[in-house]
Amino acid sequence: RKEVEQDPGPFNVPEGATVAFNCTYSNSASQSFFWYRQDCRKEPKLLMSVYSSGNEDGRFTAQLNRASQYISLLIRDSKLSDSATYLCVVNGGFKTIFGAGTRLFVKA
Amino acid sequence: EAGVAQSPRYKIIEKRQSVAFWCNPISGHATLYWYQQILGQGPKLLIQFQNNGVVDDSQLPKDRFSAERLKGVDSTLKIQPAKLEDSAVYLCASSLKGSLGIQYFGAGTRLSVL
Repeated sequence: RKEVEQDPGPFNVPEGATVAFNCTYSNSASQSFFWYRQDCRKEPKLLMSVYSSGNEDGRFTAQLNRASQYISLLIRDSKLSDSATYLCVVNGGFKTIFGAGTRLFVKA
Repeated sequence: EAGVAQSPRYKIIEKRQSVAFWCNPISGHATLYWYQQILGQGPKLLIQFQNNGVVDDSQLPKDRFSAERLKGVDSTLKIQPAKLEDSAVYLCASSLKGSLGIQYFGAGTRLSVL
């Protein structure tokens, strides 16, 4: 089992749709969690941190379920500009692990 | 504030040649990371420095890869000799708060080994 696993993509959705990504992790001692966004041929950039209480930033909502060891990202009212790869990142002490990413295509 | 600087942006070499990449992190960031990202995959951590000490290099192929951060600021990653499977983007990142903090990435070096 991979240490961090993400939904296989790609997700193809129309503008305005709601889309959700899941990510599971194997190390129960993991301490911090993030979602990064990576545009084609660009570097990853932080989208949002993920907290146990859940957090929201505009159209984006992130949730963490420690008991089931997964995190999720919900995007509401998808825009064309949301097309990118979304990377789940899990930190456990000194170790940082990226998921393979989920590719999202938003079409007009 | 200046971001993470990397050079070169692109490099094409033949197998068995050597190559070096350079990274300058954001000022004040004590933690520096080198990642390898193969097309279609997520970044894989090669090595992590805290100041000039190595925190994690468990996934660094030490028979051919080496990295240093002598003065706790900028860093170099070297491959010698290169193999075809080393073709990838090499990303450098830095963070203020160590492994638990947000990482800021440079634009990367795209390496093609022919």
